Amino acid sequence: SAVISQKPSRDICQRGTSLTIQCQVDSQVTMMFWYRQQPGQSLTLIATANQGSEATYESGFVIDKFPISRPNLTFSTLTVSNMSPEDSSIYLCSVTPAPGTGELFFGEGSRLTVL
Amino acid sequence: RKEVEQDPGPFNVPEGATVAFNCTYSNSASQSFFWYRQDCRKEPKLLMSVYSSGNEDGRFTAQLNRASQYISLLIRDSKLSDSATYLCVVNDGTSYGKLTFGQGTILTVHP
Repeated sequence: SAVISQKPSRDICQRGTSLTIQCQVDSQVTMMFWYRQQPGQSLTLIATANQGSEATYESGFVIDKFPISRPNLTFSTLTVSNMSPEDSSIYLCSVTPAPGTGELFFGEGSRLTVL
Repeated sequence: RKEVEQDPGPFNVPEGATVAFNCTYSNSASQSFFWYRQDCRKEPKLLMSVYSSGNEDGRFTAQLNRASQYISLLIRDSKLSDSATYLCVVNDGTSYGKLTFGQGTILTVHP
């Protein structure tokens, strides 16, 4: 298993500002993922955070809007840039200790409200 | 068509009831299948993997029908604590194994 700490747990932000979410894992993991869960919806993968290289973004998500850092095997950040109310969502960091197994461990999520 | 489709419910059942959830997926290359559980305002957690021959974990039984691209979850003797959203999850068949989540089925078990 893995213990994941995310912060902030929640925030209320003004339109046009940016917010950086941090994700800390208690062990070294190869793969870290960032998901978004909009109100009443399921999880959508934003990107895979790769250590030592650029993140791999899913269709519909771009680096300029969601820059990601992965400085080492236990930490990653996701920035939500130039926020609009449509970015109001829960953002979840997740890791898989065994890639391909389907077992993901999630952080508790960061609940973002954009006014 | 969505990649993973579930009946969103909600399902409202009394304690002790048996309830079944269905899920269909569109990617025939998918190799791995899972059910996750998400409690209200909490993160999802793996409930069980789904194997080709079907598998059971206590009161929970998962079935897979590859020909029909269909997955099910059966919960017997429902408990109040089973109230949650159940997410059907499918990988994309690659070695990297990107996961796609269904929208979830809401279950409420009442006394």
